[in-house]
Amino acid sequence: GAGVSQTPSNKVTEKGKYVELRCDPISGHTALYWYRQSLGQGPEFLIYFQGTGAADDSGLPNDRFFAVRPEGSVSTLKIQRTERGDSAVYLCASSANREGLFFGPGTRLTVL
Amino acid sequence: EDQVTQSPEALRLQEGESSSLNCSYTVSGLRGLFWYRQDPGKGPEFLFTLYSAGEEKEKERLKATLTKKESFLHITAPKPEDSATYLCAPCDGANNLFFGTGTRLTVIP
Repeated sequence: GAGVSQTPSNKVTEKGKYVELRCDPISGHTALYWYRQSLGQGPEFLIYFQGTGAADDSGLPNDRFFAVRPEGSVSTLKIQRTERGDSAVYLCASSANREGLFFGPGTRLTVL
Repeated sequence: EDQVTQSPEALRLQEGESSSLNCSYTVSGLRGLFWYRQDPGKGPEFLFTLYSAGEEKEKERLKATLTKKESFLHITAPKPEDSATYLCAPCDGANNLFFGTGTRLTVIP
């Protein structure tokens, strides 16, 4: 079956702009996670959804970051007033249980 | 404070030369430890979950083991296609995964 998909694969934007990153999880997976990965680092937790609600958003770095999952499937990570330090690969993962998280290919965000 | 340290940062092996990667962790209320493989430009690929000290899991040339403070990923007779970055991620009592910075493995033919 299809894995986790993320769009766009690459996004280049200018400082101060607003961006939206989309994640389509594996069908039937109730848990969805967003991570951020900088070059040479491991993924850093941002937010975790169980169904439609954010079960844990403690990893969001500040209030410029927001994520939604209105119907318990597709999720959108939204970043307002982007800064150069937001440049990273944004990874989405989904899980049916805690046995394993399955990651998408990521969206590479570059803020100029 | 929860911490994860992976060593070595980078490892070069000749094809067929077995070795081990280390993941040392300090995590409150460990609920499991995950191992992932990541190829350049791709998302992490799930390998194993270990839940308790003494547990071992195997997949092809890889075997993961867990103690109360460390996990090891043993690679037996590696092939060039095993070249990747290997990430470990303990899961704490709040179901958060803490990723290490990874070990970048290169297997030379």
